[in-house]
Amino acid sequence: AQSVTQPDIHITVSEGASLELRCNYSYGATPYLFWYVQSPGQGLQLLLKYFSGDTLVQGIKGFEAEFKRSQSSFNLRKPSVHWSDAAEYFCAVGPAEYGNKLVFGAGTILRVKS
Amino acid sequence: DTAVSQTPKYLVTQMGNDKSIKCEQNLGHDTMYWYKQDSKKFLKIMFSYNNKELIINETVPNRFSPKSPDKAHLNLHINSLELGDSAVYFCASSSGQEKYFGPGTRLTVL
Repeated sequence: AQSVTQPDIHITVSEGASLELRCNYSYGATPYLFWYVQSPGQGLQLLLKYFSGDTLVQGIKGFEAEFKRSQSSFNLRKPSVHWSDAAEYFCAVGPAEYGNKLVFGAGTILRVKS
Repeated sequence: DTAVSQTPKYLVTQMGNDKSIKCEQNLGHDTMYWYKQDSKKFLKIMFSYNNKELIINETVPNRFSPKSPDKAHLNLHINSLELGDSAVYFCASSSGQEKYFGPGTRLTVL
């Protein structure tokens, strides 16, 4: 069965510090992987996605993620966090076909201290 | 020029009532979805429609009935609302793999 684990419920980092949000997945085939961000009271915005090819993918807002098949991980990183990055981040995995049902992790709340 | 819009944004109602949430997308996508985000922030898919045809129906009570009058709209009707239906409901659309989510509808059942 598909599952996504985000081990950290909350993370607090200082503004300007680097960030890594962890995501581990369980999936029977080659997964399609996504990171979404949800700001308070807002919908979900796609940060980046991995389908195939280069295992290091770049997204919006300076985020990147690396797919590591051997570790079943797709961790999200940012070299320097800004206060506006404070939000909740969701990792998701899904199959290739249309109408795919994404399976989401429980989310990681990022707090940024100045 | 909102891509995926939902109305209403907030919905407060009494147990036992029937309510609807509307969703519209102007992206020309063929596939639309309803997701439910519970109080613990878990997002789970409820339904998926492709070209007005139901293709995913998770184990959702039959009090929930999606309706897709055309490709651009997927409405969610809920009968006999229960306390446990309180959640944030997200509509989404996709063409291929990339999903675009609406802003969500926060439903509170009293």
